[in-house]
Amino acid sequence: EDQVTQSPEALRLQEGESSSLNCSYTVSGLRGLFWYRQDPGKGPEFLFTLYSAGEEKEKERLKATLTKKESFLHITAPKPEDSATYLCAVKGANAGKSTFGDGTTLTVKP
Amino acid sequence: EPEVTQTPSHQVTQMGQEVILRCVPISNHLYFYWYRQILGQKVEFLVSFYNNEISEKSEIFDDQFSVERPDGSNFTLKIRSTKLEDSAMYFCASNYMSTGELFFGEGSRLTVL
Repeated sequence: EDQVTQSPEALRLQEGESSSLNCSYTVSGLRGLFWYRQDPGKGPEFLFTLYSAGEEKEKERLKATLTKKESFLHITAPKPEDSATYLCAVKGANAGKSTFGDGTTLTVKP
Repeated sequence: EPEVTQTPSHQVTQMGQEVILRCVPISNHLYFYWYRQILGQKVEFLVSFYNNEISEKSEIFDDQFSVERPDGSNFTLKIRSTKLEDSAMYFCASNYMSTGELFFGEGSRLTVL
């Protein structure tokens, strides 16, 4: 069974203070690792897809990286509007479903 | 920009009542999903639907649940006899390829009293 573990559960940063979120996974035949952003009371919003170890994707202040066992979401010089819950999900070779982690709730203080 | 739309945004029902949640996926998408999120917990897969049939379902998706695509645009989730533990946010999602990212709706919050 596919499993996703995210850490930390919560992260509080000052504006401009860079950090990283971790997503550890076990999956049979990775078809894709996905990062989503979820604002309170809203549906998850897609950020990145990573398919193979060594791959990196960037968007504004966010950069996602992938190894064979984990993915990192690096946040550089965050702003208060980056405050949200960040979800990691994996899709395995034998599953059409995505398996989600519990998420990391990021709070960026001005 | 195309988006997934869900109705109602919030529904309150009595235990034992039937509920239908509705979704309009993105028009050229082929794969449709229902996920749910109990308050404070993770997003959980319920069911996937392709070519007018269920392609995969989770243990949560028991005989009380059913899905239907009654026409070319709507995708519905029916809960036949709601239980207190069905209270959650239900998200509809769709994608063009099953391996691709999911496009989620804003969710339907179901409260069972």
